Amino acid sequence: ELKVEQNPLFLSMQEGKNYTIYCNYSTTSDRLYWYRQDPGKSLESLFVLLSNGAVKQEGRLMASLDTKARLSTLHITAAVHDLSATYFCAFQYGNKLVFGAGTILRVKS
Amino acid sequence: GAVVSQHPSRVICKSGTSVKIECRSLDFQATTMFWYRQFPKQSLMLMATSNEGSKATYEQGVEKDKFLINHASLTLSTLTVTSAHPEDSSFYICSASRDGVTYEQYFGPGTRLTVT
Repeated sequence: ELKVEQNPLFLSMQEGKNYTIYCNYSTTSDRLYWYRQDPGKSLESLFVLLSNGAVKQEGRLMASLDTKARLSTLHITAAVHDLSATYFCAFQYGNKLVFGAGTILRVKS
Repeated sequence: GAVVSQHPSRVICKSGTSVKIECRSLDFQATTMFWYRQFPKQSLMLMATSNEGSKATYEQGVEKDKFLINHASLTLSTLTVTSAHPEDSSFYICSASRDGVTYEQYFGPGTRLTVT
């Protein structure tokens, strides 16, 4: 079964704190994506991870990939209110994407 | 590059009518286009995959006669929701791939459909 388990599903964070979102996927894949979605909007691509050990960083977000463990993480450093959104991971399977359920992130001041 | 547009962004229609949503790749030719629907606080659900000039491939459980997909050119795909009912109200998102190797998808801004 093609499956992505994302956790937590809901994350309430204090500004300035660090946290990690986990994404476990069920089968071998060449590409792992992270997206951000704001309310009422479509998906915004954050990261594409292509190989084992890949790490990418943009601002306060850092994504990594462990293909052997079929695990990707999205680490948030010193959260700010602007990061409040829903974050999805997805892995590529053939020509399709298999999405996780999404993590709703709320950053509180 | 890799911009995908959708039209309309919002549509309200009466129950029993049909509504067409357009998805265009603006600066590239799309080998494959994808249609998703998303209910509130849920993930994206793939409805169908289409290639230019071919019949769409629908995911299990998606009614082909209700959700008509036409991929008439390398830059345009349309989704027609026929005989719409309130339960079809959803956020519909299209995406497009510009190569048949990586199939990296570029997402449109979405269409909010409300059926009254």
